[in-house]
Amino acid sequence: DAKTTQPPSMDCAEGRAANLPCNHSTISGNEYVYWYRQIHSQGPQYIIHGLKNNETNEMASLIITEDRKSSTLILPHATLRDTAVYYCIHGSGNTGKLIFGQGTTLQVKP
Amino acid sequence: KAGVTQTPRYLIKTRGQQVTLSCSPISGHRSVSWYQQTPGQGLQFLFEYFSETQRNKGNFPGRFSGRQFSNSRSEMNVSTLELGDSALYLCASTYGRDSGANVLTFGAGSRLTVL
Repeated sequence: DAKTTQPPSMDCAEGRAANLPCNHSTISGNEYVYWYRQIHSQGPQYIIHGLKNNETNEMASLIITEDRKSSTLILPHATLRDTAVYYCIHGSGNTGKLIFGQGTTLQVKP
Repeated sequence: KAGVTQTPRYLIKTRGQQVTLSCSPISGHRSVSWYQQTPGQGLQFLFEYFSETQRNKGNFPGRFSGRQFSNSRSEMNVSTLELGDSALYLCASTYGRDSGANVLTFGAGSRLTVL
């Protein structure tokens, strides 16, 4: 099963950029990288995904290395409401099966 | 558009009972998957249904089962409940296309407590 490696926790000052790393060395050629976050006891929320190019949306930016073995999620201006567990996942496109790791607990501090 | 709806949101059962949880996916989504979340094990994949057929299955005992109806709504059932089944059960839906990304949309979950 697909596995990713993320630091268990990170802190970030409010208003600063939060950079969350992820290693996904077992990713295969047709697999996407997905990022979700989960705020306490709620369902995971989709943030962004990418295949090999860097991506940006209204929530975040995703930087994927050229060899696709790692990526970084960037929250450009973190707020207190961004405090959550962030999950990096990779998987094939056509199923609803995703393998979640333990994620990174991001604590945004005032 | 309406999101993924799970019912009930909270329920309490006793050991040995059974429970049925319901999930209504986003309109147009044909894939529904179920996840169990516990403090010790994190988020674990249970199974996925696509067009009324189970397409993927996680590593859970046969007490955990599910089904999907022709309107894509799905139910999961847990029989002979054990204390360890206490968890947040999450449902997610997606189009389930053969190619491209399939972004999952999760519901708010059903919180099951087994006493």
